[in-house]
Amino acid sequence: SQTIHQWPATLVQPVGSPLSLECTVEGTSNPNLYWYRQAAGRGLQLLFYSVGIGQISSEVPQNLSASRPQDRQFILSSKKLLLSDSGFYLCAWTEGATGELFFGEGSRLTVL
Amino acid sequence: AQSVTQPDIHITVSEGASLELRCNYSYGATPYLFWYVQSPGQGLQLLLKYFSGDTLVQGIKGFEAEFKRSQSSFNLRKPSVHWSDAAEYFCAVGAGTYDMRFGAGTRLTVKP
Repeated sequence: SQTIHQWPATLVQPVGSPLSLECTVEGTSNPNLYWYRQAAGRGLQLLFYSVGIGQISSEVPQNLSASRPQDRQFILSSKKLLLSDSGFYLCAWTEGATGELFFGEGSRLTVL
Repeated sequence: AQSVTQPDIHITVSEGASLELRCNYSYGATPYLFWYVQSPGQGLQLLLKYFSGDTLVQGIKGFEAEFKRSQSSFNLRKPSVHWSDAAEYFCAVGAGTYDMRFGAGTRLTVKP
């Protein structure tokens, strides 16, 4: 069966420091991969999605970036974190045309 | 562009009482509709989905939802709520793999 993992689960970083969140999917090939951010009371905001290695689409202009170095690996990065980057980040995947998403456990980022 | 509205930010029900969570969407055609549940600090889990066919769909954990095209609604229901149902619930609408939009969520509290 397919599984999705994210790490780290919790991260506390100072303003201006770099960020790297990783996500891997097992048990499937060529998945579509997504990064969402969840701010309190605001639902989920799609940040990036990828349909293949090296293919990244950005939904929201920001100081975050994403990369997909391998088929089942998706990385969210920042060179310099802002206070507003704090939130709960969720990785997700789907392999069908209907868009049913399967989510990872999430990564809680606090920027101080 | 499609959008999703969950009018109730927070709902409190007594254990054993019935539950209805509201969801209204805006989209030009019949979208794919989803309900997800999120426990604190966790990722999202799919409760049920509607793609086509029977407008009353059954999901996991005893939940059901009804698609009403005339009202652009996809309300989630459960006849008898259990304490373990306390969580946040998200309605989502998707027009395809890359175009999923989530509501802001409804937080459910269950009173003993």
